[in-house]
Amino acid sequence: QVQLQESGPGLVKPSETLSLTCTVSGDSISSYYWSWIRQTPGKGLEWIGYIYYRGSTTYNPSLKSRVTISVDTSKNQFSLKLSSVTDADTAMYYCTRVSGSAAGAVWGQGTLVTVSS
Amino acid sequence: EIVLTQSPGTLSVFPGERATLSCRASQSVSSTYLAWYQQKPGQAPRLLIYGASTRATGIPDRFSGSGSGTDFTLTISRLEPEDFAVYYCQQYGGSPMYSFGQGTKLEIK
Repeated sequence: QVQLQESGPGLVKPSETLSLTCTVSGDSISSYYWSWIRQTPGKGLEWIGYIYYRGSTTYNPSLKSRVTISVDTSKNQFSLKLSSVTDADTAMYYCTRVSGSAAGAVWGQGTLVTVSS
Repeated sequence: EIVLTQSPGTLSVFPGERATLSCRASQSVSSTYLAWYQQKPGQAPRLLIYGASTRATGIPDRFSGSGSGTDFTLTISRLEPEDFAVYYCQQYGGSPMYSFGQGTKLEIK
């Protein structure tokens, strides 16, 4: 069965770029859409964006100016970059496999990213 | 932007009883595009229901979803101890493409 695993720094300084990678195992990334979702106590669950394995993307308009999602099919991975972070970007970040209308048919375990100097 | 409002914020129910959770949208949502998730402490959310009423793989039949337009419901018919968690609804197709409700915490009475 498909499994997703997030990886990346747990601490990022303000104004820098948050970078996370999601490794997909048990299935090829070369199908489905793949998404990033974050969760904070204050704002709850927030969809960041998704990517199709061929590289097309759609982002949340509220984050669009700072977000880049990319895919590496040779490594069965997709990645998130969020620039100019502030403490409002402190959150648990999840990667998911999208299935139709469900943003998260399968979820990674999540990774906590803290923005702090 | 489509805003999803879940009620109640917290629901206290005895094990074995029925729980009814509500999700109201600020604009009409196609029933095809409404999903429900369960989240337990320290875990990622898990997809329960998609298309408003279709159970995801492996989800027990005590979970059921219904509704259309702006009003959707998740019903858990006979609460098991493992069902006490936070539940979220999610819509697809608005702007942003996906958005979530704020959640309902289901606790043991």
